[in-house]
Amino acid sequence: AQSVAQPEDQVNVAEGNPLTVKCTYSVSGNPYLFWYVQYPNRGLQFLLKYITGDNLVKGSYGFEAEFNKSQTSFHLKKPSALVSDSALYFCAVRSDKLIFGTGTRLQVFP
Amino acid sequence: NAGVMQNPRHLVRRRGQEARLRCSPMKGHSHVYWYRQLPEEGLKFMVYLQKENIIDESGMPKERFSAEFPKEGPSILRIQQVVRGDSAAYFCASSPVAGAPGSTGELFFGEGSRLTVL
Repeated sequence: AQSVAQPEDQVNVAEGNPLTVKCTYSVSGNPYLFWYVQYPNRGLQFLLKYITGDNLVKGSYGFEAEFNKSQTSFHLKKPSALVSDSALYFCAVRSDKLIFGTGTRLQVFP
Repeated sequence: NAGVMQNPRHLVRRRGQEARLRCSPMKGHSHVYWYRQLPEEGLKFMVYLQKENIIDESGMPKERFSAEFPKEGPSILRIQQVVRGDSAAYFCASSPVAGAPGSTGELFFGEGSRLTVL
C-alpha cells in the first residue's frame, strides 16, 4: 500500500530563516508526490509535484522540494520563510487517488 | 474557469437528521473525490467517483454514508442519521481523465463543507 509520513506535527522557524518540512514515502513503482498547503478554514492549495525528471522541483510561493529516491524522501523547503507561510502543509502520494500524510503545521515567527 | 464548488460551506444538523453535501467539479473534470478532515487531523480519503460510477469507496463508512455523481448535476455526499462524530470538514476534489489534455496529476480542491452535528 502506498503511504506518506510526516514525522513532525509542527515546525517553528523565524522569519527570514530557511525552512524544511519533512516527508517520507512508501510506494511500489514510481512515485507521484505532491505538496499542498491549507490555510485556516480553507481548502487545499497545490504547491508542487514530482512526477519524473529533475529531483529538485520548484513550486508556488517560492517553495521547492527535493525528491531523494535512496532516502524515499520528498522534503519541502524554502530559503527564506515569511510569516504568511504559516499554515498546514500536507505531503501526498498518488495512485488512483491522493493519499495524504497527517500534516505539519508551520509556524513562522516575526 | 470556476474552481471546484462546494455547498453548503457550513451545515448544522441535529443528531438523527440527514446531511447532503454537494460538489460541482471544475469544468472538463470527470473525476470527483471526497475527503474528510476531522478537527486537527489530516485528510482521509472517502470515495472516488466518475460520472455514474463509484470507482473506489474503500474509505467510506459502511453505514449511513453514500455518494453519487450523476450524469447531470453535482456529486452528492449523503450522510443519514448523523451523529456527533460526523462533525468534520468534507472536501471535494476533481481531476480530469488521466492522460487527457490539461491532466497534470494533481487534484483541485474545493473550499470544503463544514458539518456540525449538535
